[in-house]
Amino acid sequence: KNEVEQSPQNLTAQEGEFITINCSYSVGISALHWLQQHPGGGIVSLFMLSSGKKKHGRLIATINIQEKHSSLHITASHPRDSAVYICAPPEGSGGSNYKLTFGKGTLLTVNP
Amino acid sequence: NAGVTQTPKFRILKIGQSMTLQCTQDMNHNYMYWYRQDPGMGLKLIYYSVGAGITDKGEVPNGYNVSRSTTEDFPLRLELAAPSQTSVYFCASSPYNSPLHFGNGTRLTVT
Repeated sequence: KNEVEQSPQNLTAQEGEFITINCSYSVGISALHWLQQHPGGGIVSLFMLSSGKKKHGRLIATINIQEKHSSLHITASHPRDSAVYICAPPEGSGGSNYKLTFGKGTLLTVNP
Repeated sequence: NAGVTQTPKFRILKIGQSMTLQCTQDMNHNYMYWYRQDPGMGLKLIYYSVGAGITDKGEVPNGYNVSRSTTEDFPLRLELAAPSQTSVYFCASSPYNSPLHFGNGTRLTVT
């Protein structure tokens, strides 16, 4: 089973700050998911990445497969970015969606 | 496209009652999943399906059953509800090894 550690568990930032959320996992994988859970509970997939870096708007996700580590960055943070961010690698190197291990999430609060 | 639609949004059950959580998707995704989310815990997989007529257990299947008679629908059945099944339930779908699409969740309380 893949052990997933996210840090920090809670993060409070001022609007405009650069945010970094980290995810470490124990078993080598081929791809990893980042999800966003809104305060109302809905979950949205942000990224699925297997190497290097992906960018979508102000969000950037990076992954280092060899070091078993991924980061999610938010540039110019805004109060609407306030949410729980969840890292989800698969159980093993097979990379299957149906064997994802979900982190407990990082609660981000961005104050105006 | 409506995406993934879950019903109901909220439900209160008495111990021992049964119910079905409905999930339907209109994106023609082969893969569908049921998760539960308990406070302070990560999502846990209950059951999943890789296509119509094929289902398999996830990490926490006890007390639940599923069926997948069509590509679109993946209902989750709770038999003999127990307080331990109080949780938020999410249905999701995806193509093979692609980002997941989630429903809005069902908040279930068993008292």
